[in-house]
Amino acid sequence: GAGVSQSPRYKVAKRGQDVALRCDPISGHVSLFWYQQALGQGPEFLTYFQNEAQLDKSGLPSDRFFAERPEGSVSTLKIQRTQQEDSAVYLCASSLKGIDYEQYFGPGTRLTVT
Amino acid sequence: GDSVTQMEGPVTLSEEAFLTINCTYTATGYPSLFWYVQYPGEGLQLLLKATKADDKGSNKGFEATYRKETTSFHLEKGSVQVSDSAVYFCALSETNAGKSTFGDGTTLTVKP
Repeated sequence: GAGVSQSPRYKVAKRGQDVALRCDPISGHVSLFWYQQALGQGPEFLTYFQNEAQLDKSGLPSDRFFAERPEGSVSTLKIQRTQQEDSAVYLCASSLKGIDYEQYFGPGTRLTVT
Repeated sequence: GDSVTQMEGPVTLSEEAFLTINCTYTATGYPSLFWYVQYPGEGLQLLLKATKADDKGSNKGFEATYRKETTSFHLEKGSVQVSDSAVYFCALSETNAGKSTFGDGTTLTVKP
């Protein structure tokens, strides 16, 4: 079946622009996670949804970052007024429920801010 | 807060050599532990997991044992293949916390 998909796969933004990154989780997966992965490092947690409820947003680095999942399926991560330090791969993962179930990762969106 | 420390890479081995990648963790509770693998050009995928102390996770010839006394979850394989060349990430998730905490990854290259 289809895995987690993310779009766009690559995004170049000029400093100050707003970007929106989309994640389509596996159908039926209740939990959805966003991570940020800088070059040469492991993924770092940004935020977590269970259905449409955002249960944890402790990892969002600033109020320029905003995530939503209004209907409990597709999620969008929005970054306003992008800065160079926002350059990273943004990973989305979904799971059936909670964290003891396997997280399935998408291919990521590579964001480059120039 | 939670943290995961992995053996620094890169690691280069000859085919059929024994592999160990060390992983230690710090957590406030009783986490589940994971190894993820990222093959070149592909996304992260779960390799194995263990959810409680003394559990052994295994998959594709890889094994790791959850050692609470040493807060470790070292990855081992008896005989590596060229196709095992990838980046390996150790991770933990606190029960009911939702998020996973990852190490920085270890790049493994296996030469024929």
